[in-house]
Amino acid sequence: GAVVSQHPSRVICKSGTSVKIECRSLDFQATTMFWYRQFPKQSLMLMATSNEGSKATYEQGVEKDKFLINHASLTLSTLTVTSAHPEDSSFYICSAPDVYNEQFFGPGTRLTVL
Amino acid sequence: KQEVTQIPAALSVPEGENLVLNCSFTDSAIYNLQWFRQDPGKGLTSLLLIQSSQREQTSGRLNASLDKSSGRSTLYIAASQPGDSATYLCSSPNTNAGKSTFGDGTTLTVKP
Repeated sequence: GAVVSQHPSRVICKSGTSVKIECRSLDFQATTMFWYRQFPKQSLMLMATSNEGSKATYEQGVEKDKFLINHASLTLSTLTVTSAHPEDSSFYICSAPDVYNEQFFGPGTRLTVL
Repeated sequence: KQEVTQIPAALSVPEGENLVLNCSFTDSAIYNLQWFRQDPGKGLTSLLLIQSSQREQTSGRLNASLDKSSGRSTLYIAASQPGDSATYLCSSPNTNAGKSTFGDGTTLTVKP
């Protein structure tokens, strides 16, 4: 199957700093990618849909100025958590559908804000 | 709005047993249905994708079925192994290449 990578896998930062997470589709192009966050022992919560060449679509309750998404190419989407606070600590996962609309997920990024 | 429910929330079986995980969805106008497994602290691994025109898919010891009319999908695992222990999630996108709705998952424990 297709491969989606995420970088970094883990990040620890101080409160108030910004953190950028990259999501790459390695062997296919993705005009759309999805960003999720997951709290311990809970299911995935969709944050936003990243659209190549246009603005991201955010889910209700997700602050677009807090979670900046850029989808500058057909293989890369980035999520920047701006002015991170401890409550932003979570597991962030991206996914991308291939041409058959099979979703492939990245390995996730564990963010810890001190 | 699509809602996806998975039953049971947790399941513990002895090694070698066959088992069935259930997934139900409220909107039968789905494009496809996908089953994943997630190991603790990891991303999701795609197991099986069933297109809306299909009724089942098989991969090794796994078989997934889809009944759109009843809004149900099942994941059958044959001859379970301790390595099958994980959380299993089903999801369905709202449009072609659209955002997916996930169930809460079934956490499976296979005891040696």
